[in-house]
Amino acid sequence: GAVVSQHPSRVICKSGTSVKIECRSLDFQATTMFWYRQFPKQSLMLMATSNEGSKATYEQGVEKDKFLINHASLTLSTLTVTSAHPEDSSFYICSAPPALKNYGYTFGSGTRLTVV
Amino acid sequence: AQTVTQSQPEMSVQEAETVTLSCTYDTSESDYYLFWYKQPPSRQMILVIRQEAYKQQNATENRFSVNFQKAAKSFSLKISDSQLGDAAMYFCAYRRRTQGGSEKLVFGKGTKLTVNP
Repeated sequence: GAVVSQHPSRVICKSGTSVKIECRSLDFQATTMFWYRQFPKQSLMLMATSNEGSKATYEQGVEKDKFLINHASLTLSTLTVTSAHPEDSSFYICSAPPALKNYGYTFGSGTRLTVV
Repeated sequence: AQTVTQSQPEMSVQEAETVTLSCTYDTSESDYYLFWYKQPPSRQMILVIRQEAYKQQNATENRFSVNFQKAAKSFSLKISDSQLGDAAMYFCAYRRRTQGGSEKLVFGKGTKLTVNP
């Protein structure tokens, strides 16, 4: 089945630094990738949608300059948290839509970001 | 606006028993897809079951089945013969179309299922 590989699984960074999270579609081409944020014991909140070859679409309230999304190829989408602050600490998950409409979305394994 | 409501923040069930998780949704579309995802402590999102709105027959995947009531906009998940490994957060999701023609998932707030031995 379709697999999305997400790295790193955990990262700790200092305030003010930037962190890049990668999501790769391993056995299929993902022209679209969704990026979610999940706070403890809460649901997934869609942050933005990346599209290969074009600008990402951000959800209302999400800072574009803080969460830079790039979809450089059909198999790679990245989320860069710039000038990270402790409030950016969270669990970030990527997801690719199914190739066939009646299938479920494929999710990466998530990245736990801690900003100290 | 399409919304997904899970009214049970937590549920518990005895091992080998049956439990039903509730989900209601709001939509003006006639053709759409509904999903149940499981998120165990590892936090990996796992597809449990999917339902196409135009199909009247309820979806079934082994011990998991749904009760899809389109008119009532209800999509409950039944887990039979519950196992310890079923303990997880369960999210109901609706796949909606955006104004630009693309699609994305809208999630409910989730139900934490505990399975007691």
